[in-house]
Amino acid sequence: AQSVAQPEDQVNVAEGNPLTVKCTYSVSGNPYLFWYVQYPNRGLQFLLKYITGDNLVKGSYGFEAEFNKSQTSFHLKKPSALVSDSALYFCAVRLDVGYSTLTFGKGTMLLVSP
Amino acid sequence: NAGVTQTPKFRVLKTGQSMTLLCAQDMNHEYMYWYRQDPGMGLRLIHYSVGEGTTAKGEVPDGYNVSRLKKQNFLLGLESAAPSQTSVYFCASSNSQHYPQETQYFGPGTRLLVL
Repeated sequence: AQSVAQPEDQVNVAEGNPLTVKCTYSVSGNPYLFWYVQYPNRGLQFLLKYITGDNLVKGSYGFEAEFNKSQTSFHLKKPSALVSDSALYFCAVRLDVGYSTLTFGKGTMLLVSP
Repeated sequence: NAGVTQTPKFRVLKTGQSMTLLCAQDMNHEYMYWYRQDPGMGLRLIHYSVGEGTTAKGEVPDGYNVSRLKKQNFLLGLESAAPSQTSVYFCASSNSQHYPQETQYFGPGTRLLVL
C-alpha cells in the first residue's frame, strides 16, 4: 500500500519569507511524486512532479520541491512567499510500475500574511 | 478548450434520492477519475476508468456506481443518497500516453449536500 503524510494542517508565513510545506511518503517501490494546489472553490491545479533524475524539481509560480529518497520526503518550497500563494496544497504519490492510482495527502493550508 | 467540466455545480438531495453527476473532458484523455474531498481527509478515489467502456473501483466505491459509455464522459451515480455522501466531488482526467507520470487535470467540483 502507498501513503502520503502531510504533518502540518496549516503553515503560516509572512509575505517575502521563504516557505516550506512538508510531505513524506511510503511506497513499496520507486515513487512518482506530485504537488497540487487548490484555491478556494476551485479544482486542483498541478504544480510540479518528480519522476526521475535531478532531485530538485522546479514548477509553476516559483515553487520547487526536493526529493529525498533516504528520508522519503518531497517538501515543497518557495524562496519568497506571496499573499496570493495562500491556498490548500496537496502532495500525492504513485508507483512507477504496473497500474497504480494516485494517493493524496490530507492537504496543508498555507496562509501568507501581508 | 474547456478542459474538464462538471455538472451540476451544487445539489441538495434528501436521503434516499438518486442523482447522477456528469463529467466531461475535451482533451481526448483515456483515463478519468472520480474523487471525493472531505475536510481533513484530502482526496479519496471513488472509481476510475482507463478507457471507454471500462471502470474500476477506487478506495471508497461503496454507494456509488459509474459508467463510461463515451470516451469524453464519465458519470457518477448515487442510487440512494445518504448523509455520509455529503461532500465535494471532483472529476479528473489524464493522458494515458504519459502514464504513469501523467498529470491529472481536475474539474471545478460538485458540492453535494444530502439531508
